[in-house]
Amino acid sequence: QVQLRESGPGLVKPSETLSLTCNVSDHSINNGFYWGWIRQAPGKGLEWIGSIYHNGQTRYNPSLKRRVTISVDTLKSQFFLKLTSMTASDTAMYYCARDKVSTAGPYDYWGQGILVTVSS
Amino acid sequence: EIVLTQSPGTLSLSPGERATLSCRATESVNSNYLAWYQQKPGQPPRLLIYGASSRATGVPDRFSGSGSGTEFSLIISRLKPEDFGVYFCQQYGSSPGTFGQGTMVEIK
Repeated sequence: QVQLRESGPGLVKPSETLSLTCNVSDHSINNGFYWGWIRQAPGKGLEWIGSIYHNGQTRYNPSLKRRVTISVDTLKSQFFLKLTSMTASDTAMYYCARDKVSTAGPYDYWGQGILVTVSS
Repeated sequence: EIVLTQSPGTLSLSPGERATLSCRATESVNSNYLAWYQQKPGQPPRLLIYGASSRATGVPDRFSGSGSGTEFSLIISRLKPEDFGVYFCQQYGSSPGTFGQGTMVEIK
């Protein structure tokens, strides 16, 4: 059973950079899957942020591409999200998840999510 | 990007009834790469269906998916009280992957 857990700050100031970590356990991050980040604004729908393969190959949502960097540390079985120039509209629950089939879904294992609020 | 529109916005049904949820895409979904998720309050989404009609591991057979091209459906054949929640469709055949806005299923 794949387990994922997000960690990072719950509060970020406007214009700052968000840095989140997803820890993957009970599964090798090298096992031929993409690993993704998805977010959900309060009371809203889901937005795909991007994904990464164990070799570092990435895919990003064009709407966020200039602000997003996703990276991976296979030795620690972790992957990371950096989102720059945060604004109130980036307030959301951020999930990490395993991509079952391709590069942007479907996602069969999810972390519980971390709520990130952007406020001064 | 492909926009997915789900209907209805809310379904209010009794246990044992059949629920039909719709997901319409603005253009054809490549390889019918369409998934359905269930989300309950305070929980991450749970994958139910992928490839338009394949059930994910552990999903009861009362959940079924169908459709192709731009029109897709999720059917819950006999609703159980635990089936309440919001259901999202997602296309992953074209980048960026996109989600519908959700259908809330309420149990009467």
